[in-house]
Amino acid sequence: AQKVTQAQTEISVVEKEDVTLDCVYETRDTTYYLFWYKQPPSGELVFLIRRNSFDEQNEISGRYSWNFQKSTSSFNFTITASQVVDSAVYFCALRAFYGGATNKLIFGTGTLLAVQP
Amino acid sequence: GAVVSQHPSRVICKSGTSVKIECRSLDFQATTMFWYRQFPKKSLMLMATSNEGSKATYEQGVEKDKFLINHASLTLSTLTVTSAHPEDSSFYICSASGRSPEAFFGQGTRLTVV
Repeated sequence: AQKVTQAQTEISVVEKEDVTLDCVYETRDTTYYLFWYKQPPSGELVFLIRRNSFDEQNEISGRYSWNFQKSTSSFNFTITASQVVDSAVYFCALRAFYGGATNKLIFGTGTLLAVQP
Repeated sequence: GAVVSQHPSRVICKSGTSVKIECRSLDFQATTMFWYRQFPKKSLMLMATSNEGSKATYEQGVEKDKFLINHASLTLSTLTVTSAHPEDSSFYICSASGRSPEAFFGQGTRLTVV
């Protein structure tokens, strides 16, 4: 069975602090995809990143960075120097590799990040 | 990233009427579209998966006769909530997948049944 766990329900930080959102997943597949999405108050889910399971390189994009550790089944997301605009619900998701576009996303329960000015 | 447009963003309807929500992929061909329902402060609950030209696959517990899904083309899927009741009030959101592994989401539809 596939499962994604985001143990942090809510996090509150003050602007300019760094914050890490945790994501732990379970899957029997040896090859799979991992994703992070951002859902601001407007409701739309914004795609942030996709990581293939066979690529364990960490990635940095501006203030965002992702740490993929296959050995611990974790795919954590760090925001450096957080800003008020980062306030949103963040979802981690898992998707099977084989089967193409018909594969559904398995979502975690989300982490609500509140960045205080 | 690819663009998915969902319409309407908000709709209020009377109990017993039907409401149609559209989901369009604007700049790519979506072989598969997904429909979700989201309750306040909750994660997304997958309702159904639709593939272009074939019947939708519904998740367990989702009434297919109540939530009609049509995926008539590679750029359009529709969700019709039939005989809506106040308990159907929710946030509905679609996503579309094409050749790349990412799924791209629409803006969501806030449905209120009065």
